[in-house]
Formats: sequence, structure tokens, C-alpha cells
Amino acid sequence: TQLLEQSPQFLSIQEGENLTVYCNSSSVFSSLQWYRQEPGEGPVLLVTVVTGGEVKKLKRLTFQFGDARKDSSLHITAAQPGDTGLYLCAGTNAGKSTFGDGTTLTVKP
Amino acid sequence: DTGVSQDPRHKITKRGQNVTFRCDPISEHNRLYWYRQTLGQGPEFLTYFQNEAQLEKSRLLSDRFSAERPKGSFSTLEIQRTEQGDSAMYLCASSTRTGTAYEQYFGPGTRLTVT
Repeated sequence: TQLLEQSPQFLSIQEGENLTVYCNSSSVFSSLQWYRQEPGEGPVLLVTVVTGGEVKKLKRLTFQFGDARKDSSLHITAAQPGDTGLYLCAGTNAGKSTFGDGTTLTVKP
Repeated sequence: DTGVSQDPRHKITKRGQNVTFRCDPISEHNRLYWYRQTLGQGPEFLTYFQNEAQLEKSRLLSDRFSAERPKGSFSTLEIQRTEQGDSAMYLCASSTRTGTAYEQYFGPGTRLTVT
């Protein structure tokens, strides 16, 4: 069974602060995705990382895939209230994904 | 917008009734997935199709659950003899290969409440 652990489970910060959330596994994945989910809606794909050590940037969000392709991190710079949501990581092999339980981020104005 | 759509968005049913949900994937995507998500958890894999073929079904899925994708386009998920433990958000996703990776795009989900 491929398990993904996300930490922290909950994070509450003030607008303008920086933060990092983590996604860890003992399994190797061919790719890893990060999603953001709003209450009552489906997850929205943010990024896919494929290569060990890969870093991708999406505006104020920076995603990194671990060298061994077992873990990943998401760093948000100068968080805004609009960043509030559930951040999910998913490890994928052969097109099938295993999801972590997410980090619930609250950014207070 | 040609994203993944799901119908209905909400369903309230009494225990013991059957329910059926529909998912329309992104048109050019050949893979379609069903997940279940409960509060505080990430999506849990149920089953997936490549075109009309059901390639894998979770061992956690009881025989009260069945999914079809008859023409390789839309899919249905049926739950027979619903139980209160079936209350959850049911998510559908579709994907196609992008480079070396499959990226899944989710629909808005169907929220099932079993009373």
C-alpha cells in the first residue's frame, strides 16, 4: 500500500507570511501532483512534478519534488486570504494516484 | 467550459435505496476515475476505466457498488441498498497522458447523504 503523509494537518497564518507544507512517502512515484480544494468542490490541479529534484514555480507557489521521488514540498510566499483551502498531494504510478489527507490552510487578513 | 461534469451535485436518499451518479469526462480523455472523499480525508480510489474497460477496482469497494462506462465516454456509479456509511462526496476525474505523466482533472463532485 502506498501511503502519503501530509504535514502539518492544519495551518493558520496571517496575510503576508510565508509557509511550507510537506508530503512524504516511503514509496517512489513516477510523478506527483498538488491540488487545491475548496469546500464542496472537487480538487483543482496546481502542478505536476516528474523529475527527482525538480522545482516548479507558479506565481507565489514553489513546488519541489524530492531527489528520490518519494516526497515533495509546497512553499507559499506572502500568503493571501485567497490561498485559503485544502492542499492535497497525490503520488502517481501507471496513471493511478494515491492521495494524502491534505493540509488545511487558513490565511487571515 | 469543457471540464469534467457530474450530476447530480447533491443527493439525499433513505437507507436501503439505490442511487446512480453520472460523470461526463473531458472529451479527449481516455481514462476516467471514481473516488470517494469523507470529511478530513483525501480522495479514496474506487475504480478506473481506460476507454470502456474497467481496469481496476478497489478491494474496499463492496459488491453494492458498480460502475460502467459503456461507450468509453460518460460513466455511471451505482450504489445499491445504500447505508449511512456511504454518505460522502463522490468525485470523478478524467485524464490523458501528458508527456510522461497522467494528470487527473476533477469534477465538482456529488455529495451523497444517506438518512
